[in-house]
Amino acid sequence: RKEVEQDPGPFNVPEGATVAFNCTYSNSASQSFFWYRQDCRKEPKLLMSVYSSGNEDGRFTAQLNRASQYISLLIRDSKLSDSATYLCVVNTNAGKSTFGDGTTLTVKP
Amino acid sequence: NAGVTQTPKFRVLKTGQSMTLLCAQDMNHEYMYWYRQDPGMGLRLIHYSVGEGTTAKGEVPDGYNVSRLKKQNFLLGLESAAPSQTSVYFCASSRGDLGNTIYFGEGSWLTVV
Repeated sequence: RKEVEQDPGPFNVPEGATVAFNCTYSNSASQSFFWYRQDCRKEPKLLMSVYSSGNEDGRFTAQLNRASQYISLLIRDSKLSDSATYLCVVNTNAGKSTFGDGTTLTVKP
Repeated sequence: NAGVTQTPKFRVLKTGQSMTLLCAQDMNHEYMYWYRQDPGMGLRLIHYSVGEGTTAKGEVPDGYNVSRLKKQNFLLGLESAAPSQTSVYFCASSRGDLGNTIYFGEGSWLTVV
């Protein structure tokens, strides 16, 4: 079993739709959590950190459920420019970062 | 505002040739990483370093060597390239603490024929 698992998708949604991605992690010692975005043939870039109380950044909302060991990313009012692969990242207390394989989102007109 | 810089960006190698990928960061980060990403796949950690003079194996280290002689540089070497090493290679760096952001270079596209 992988340490960090994501539904690979692809998720194909129309513009304006709301879409949610989940990510599960197996290491209960995991301490910090992030979502990264990777555009086609580009490097991954930080989208947002995920805090225990949940956090929002514009149309993006991240949630953490430590008991069930999963994090989620909700995108509201999807834009064409949101089309990308979204990577879940989990850090352990040893400072090790583990990336999920990513979920691909395509937003269509 | 360079961040993480990788060279070369593109390279074609013949099977058995050797080469070195160079990575430089100007953010004074302690941690540096080399990942590979095959088409349609996730990132896989090759080697990493937690400070100058240190290196450690990641998930897929076989066929690669690394060196971190200076804090700002992390070199990835292929001693005898194989077609299975055709991939995109990303270098990255971070402060190393729990809440840190990992910054990636733009990638190096390597084809082994």
